Amino acid sequence: EPEVTQTPSHQVTQMGQEVILRCVPISNHLYFYWYRQILGQKVEFLVSFYNNEISEKSEIFDDQFSVERPDGSNFTLKIRSTKLEDSAMYFCASKSRQGGETQYFGPGTRLLVL
Amino acid sequence: KNEVEQSPQNLTAQEGEFITINCSYSVGISALHWLQQHPGGGIVSLFMLSSGKKKHGRLIATINIQEKHSSLHITASHPRDSAVYICAVPPVGNQFYFGTGTSLTVIP
Repeated sequence: EPEVTQTPSHQVTQMGQEVILRCVPISNHLYFYWYRQILGQKVEFLVSFYNNEISEKSEIFDDQFSVERPDGSNFTLKIRSTKLEDSAMYFCASKSRQGGETQYFGPGTRLLVL
Repeated sequence: KNEVEQSPQNLTAQEGEFITINCSYSVGISALHWLQQHPGGGIVSLFMLSSGKKKHGRLIATINIQEKHSSLHITASHPRDSAVYICAVPPVGNQFYFGTGTSLTVIP
């Protein structure tokens, strides 16, 4: 069964460093999402992406964040200069079309900023 | 103000019990998702529903759009059902809204 994959599963970085989280959505999906979950808190929406551009983003998704689909298969989330409060689990999700379709989630990347 | 409220926050049940988790939301939506988050952190989408009822195995989800309320039921609960169950509503404007989750523990 097709699935969303994410790499790395865990990443530890120093504050101020740039990180890139990678996601490979399901191959025929067109809508892509990033979410984060700070430990002990609820899942939060970051951004949605369609047709090679951001379609929705939350207040969390500030200038430190960017997304890209560089090669038609990978979907990346970049954090330019990490802060301690960026430590969280980051989930990627994808779905095939607008409207009545469920999203498929990746296993997540656990980011720890020291 | 939370746009999505879940109850209870924590639930412990004996194996075999019938379980109900509730979700109320304040925003207008076209559909609602129920998600399951395993102890390791992975998220699985259980249901997306916009009206009535859906059933998948021992899981049943219902929604009442007029009352802005949804329930997730688990029949004949099993220890492997232990997880956090999250209610989420799709974007309205620029935001997804997630509930805080219900942590379920099923004891053998």
